[in-house]
Amino acid sequence: KAGVTQTPRYLIKTRGQQVTLSCSPISGHRSVSWYQQTPGQGLQFLFEYFSETQRNKGNFPGRFSGRQFSNSRSEMNVSTLELGDSALYLCASSFGTSGTDTQYFGPGTRLTVL
Amino acid sequence: GENVEQHPSTLSVQEGDSAVIKCTYSDSASNYFPWYKQELGKRPQLIIDIRSNVGEKKDQRIAVTLNKTAKHFSLHITETQPEDSAVYFCAATGDNDMRFGAGTRLTVKP
Repeated sequence: KAGVTQTPRYLIKTRGQQVTLSCSPISGHRSVSWYQQTPGQGLQFLFEYFSETQRNKGNFPGRFSGRQFSNSRSEMNVSTLELGDSALYLCASSFGTSGTDTQYFGPGTRLTVL
Repeated sequence: GENVEQHPSTLSVQEGDSAVIKCTYSDSASNYFPWYKQELGKRPQLIIDIRSNVGEKKDQRIAVTLNKTAKHFSLHITETQPEDSAVYFCAATGDNDMRFGAGTRLTVKP
């Protein structure tokens, strides 16, 4: 089975712009969770989608949003980028929800905001 | 929501020694506790997990113990090798989202 994939792998944007990141889960997995990873803050939960519905949301501003499609692929969007949004964005997929099944991570998208 | 604390933040051991990383959680409803290893520049990878109906689980040199009463769980690595050097994350989850500890940077000196 192919693993979790994320595109693009690297992205450079300027403040004020918006960005869309994509995550393709392992085939058959219905849950996709997104995390922000920074050296100082570790892995911070953004949100989880299960069967096209947002199941949980972490403590991030409304500039961070996401969605999931019928094929379980997920996108996250960040609007009005700030310097502090520079981070590695990881998605993880699982067959069931993150509370029940093992999550498998993608390679991440490294976002740099200038 | 769940809050997970992980200690120590850095750990340096000599090759062959044991390493122990401890995590505490706040939500008594949490019932699934995975451990991930992240090597430099790579994605986190699951190395072992435990569910709340089990007190201990072993996989070769790696073991995890869970104390539900005290709400803490630990990762034990025996006979450490240089390739064990990485950042290790614990996590806890129940019906809600998965929350991660801040990570432990383990360095195994040859």
